[in-house]
Amino acid sequence: GQNIDQPTEMTATEGAIVQINCTYQTSGFNGLFWYQQHAGEAPTFLSYNVLDGLEEKGRFSSFLSRSKGYSYLLLKELQMKDSASYLCAVRDLRGAGSYQLTFGKGTKLSVIP
Amino acid sequence: GAGVSQTPSNKVTEKGKYVELRCDPISGHTALYWYRQSLGQGPEFLIYFQGTGAADDSGLPNDRFFAVRPEGSVSTLKIQRTERGDSAVYLCASGGLAGVAHILTFGAGSRLTVL
Repeated sequence: GQNIDQPTEMTATEGAIVQINCTYQTSGFNGLFWYQQHAGEAPTFLSYNVLDGLEEKGRFSSFLSRSKGYSYLLLKELQMKDSASYLCAVRDLRGAGSYQLTFGKGTKLSVIP
Repeated sequence: GAGVSQTPSNKVTEKGKYVELRCDPISGHTALYWYRQSLGQGPEFLIYFQGTGAADDSGLPNDRFFAVRPEGSVSTLKIQRTERGDSAVYLCASGGLAGVAHILTFGAGSRLTVL
């Protein structure tokens, strides 16, 4: 099975940098995703890592270490609109030959003035 | 369409009733997923379609849950004899465009409340 852990809640100040960690245990690993979900809305895709290293996309960066089963999402220059839940998800190959996304419980980020 | 469309957005029903939730994926997307999200939790996988067939239904909690995608586009999630524990937001996601097949686009969800 899969086991994905991320902090339940975090608070950070507008303009600051915040790092949200995610650890996972899975077989058949085929990529790690970060999604953003505002309250009452659909999750929206932020980033995808399948190889070790850092992927940068504007104010958001995501890092992956496959050997450690570890990823983080880095948000820079925080804005109030970044207040949301951030979902870590692992894609793995199931026995049926299909790839599935398994989500963590999400980290609720509150950005304060 | 431009995005994944789900109807109804809200459904309130009584325990024991039958419910259908509809998902209209992005045009051209071959893969369609159903997830269920309870308050404060991440989405939980239910079923995955590739085209018309259910490629993986291992996440369906029991035989009260069933889903179809007869023409490889619109999908319907069907829940029989609803129970209070079925209350959740049911999310549909689609993907499958060449080059970005691994990126899923989610709909806004159907919030089901079973009284």
